[in-house]
Amino acid sequence: DTGVSQDPRHKITKRGQNVTFRCDPISEHNRLYWYRQTLGQGPEFLTYFQNEAQLEKSRLLSDRFSAERPKGSFSTLEIQRTEQGDSAMYLCASSLLAGSYEQYFGPGTRLTVT
Amino acid sequence: SQQGEEDPQALSIQEGENATMNCSYKTSINNLQWYRQNSGRGLVHLILIRSNEREKHSGRLRVTLDTSKKSSSLLITASRAADTASYFCATYTGANSKLTFGKGITLSVRP
Repeated sequence: DTGVSQDPRHKITKRGQNVTFRCDPISEHNRLYWYRQTLGQGPEFLTYFQNEAQLEKSRLLSDRFSAERPKGSFSTLEIQRTEQGDSAMYLCASSLLAGSYEQYFGPGTRLTVT
Repeated sequence: SQQGEEDPQALSIQEGENATMNCSYKTSINNLQWYRQNSGRGLVHLILIRSNEREKHSGRLRVTLDTSKKSSSLLITASRAADTASYFCATYTGANSKLTFGKGITLSVRP
């Protein structure tokens, strides 16, 4: 399967702990996006990369959140000092640089902060 | 902030019937996309319509776009139980490559 993959699929952590999620995009896709989705809502944009450059960060992304995409391949999203309000589904998507604007989503990582 | 607003919030129909979902948005767009999400899963792209298009078809899907009213509709014909899912419209303004999603419509298709 050459789709977008995310790891882990589920993460339960205690408040105050750090967590890191990984996303592997479709190999030829230059753009990679992170979204957060809470129950009953649509995905909300967090940040996106073009190759290894992080081009935009949402104001939703507090300084406890950091994302990287070394070498323009996989990406990681780290949340430090997790809070209960961080509980959500974290979705990764990728797309081609030019042409199609369609985004391909991974299955998501569901984070529960207890 | 979420630009798109779908209507209705929930829709329940019988298998074989058509399902119509509406989306309104606030700012000028480059294109509008519809996605489907099965419970607890990632989103799947269904169809994209550009701002200079008025109607587009893909299989059992028909999407329309009215830029003067800033609205779009998605029609699923001859619905199946497998169409049961949440449907989201998302707008792309071209300014920074991000999609802005609505809150979604929950579609239930009864067998």
